[in-house]
Amino acid sequence: ELKVEQNPLFLSMQEGKNYTIYCNYSTTSDRLYWYRQDPGKSLESLFVLLSNGAVKQEGRLMASLDTKARLSTLHITAAVHDLSATYFCAVDPFGGTSYGKLTFGQGTILTVHP
Amino acid sequence: GAVVSQHPSRVICKSGTSVKIECRSLDFQATTMFWYRQFPKQSLMLMATSNEGSKATYEQGVEKDKFLINHASLTLSTLTVTSAHPEDSSFYICSARADRGGTEAFFGQGTRLTVV
Repeated sequence: ELKVEQNPLFLSMQEGKNYTIYCNYSTTSDRLYWYRQDPGKSLESLFVLLSNGAVKQEGRLMASLDTKARLSTLHITAAVHDLSATYFCAVDPFGGTSYGKLTFGQGTILTVHP
Repeated sequence: GAVVSQHPSRVICKSGTSVKIECRSLDFQATTMFWYRQFPKQSLMLMATSNEGSKATYEQGVEKDKFLINHASLTLSTLTVTSAHPEDSSFYICSARADRGGTEAFFGQGTRLTVV
């Protein structure tokens, strides 16, 4: 059974600080996704990581994937209040043309304080 | 971009009644769609994989007779929660995988079900 574990589960940050959210998973996969969820809303796709060593950046967020370590990271640079949300990583163990069946981490609730 | 529309976004129903949730891919065909459930302050859990023209595949522990899935066309899957009870109150989210290539399934807006 695939397990996906995020840490930390709760993250309280000051504006302007940097931090990293970690996502570990238990089985071979080279397809990992990061999502943002605001309260009462569905998921917003942030990053799609499809190979070992993949690194993607968008604004203050950067995600990376190490398939050998079965680890992905989401790095936050110079946090701002607007980044406050819940962040999920999700692993797709099938890939190929059978992609889309995701196992999610527990989620990290990020709160950015002034 | 690929759009997946879920309807309704919010529904309140009485205990013992049934409620239907629709998931539509608006600008692409999707032979395969996925249904997830998210309880408050928890993560998303896959309930079932919906396949056009064939029976849905349910995850372990999900009652197929309670959560009826019908995928009657290449752009529409429906989830019917039958004989709903308060413990079925949850956020239901669908996603759709485009038939022509792609690297990620696209999520609908979600449906907040409250059973009273």
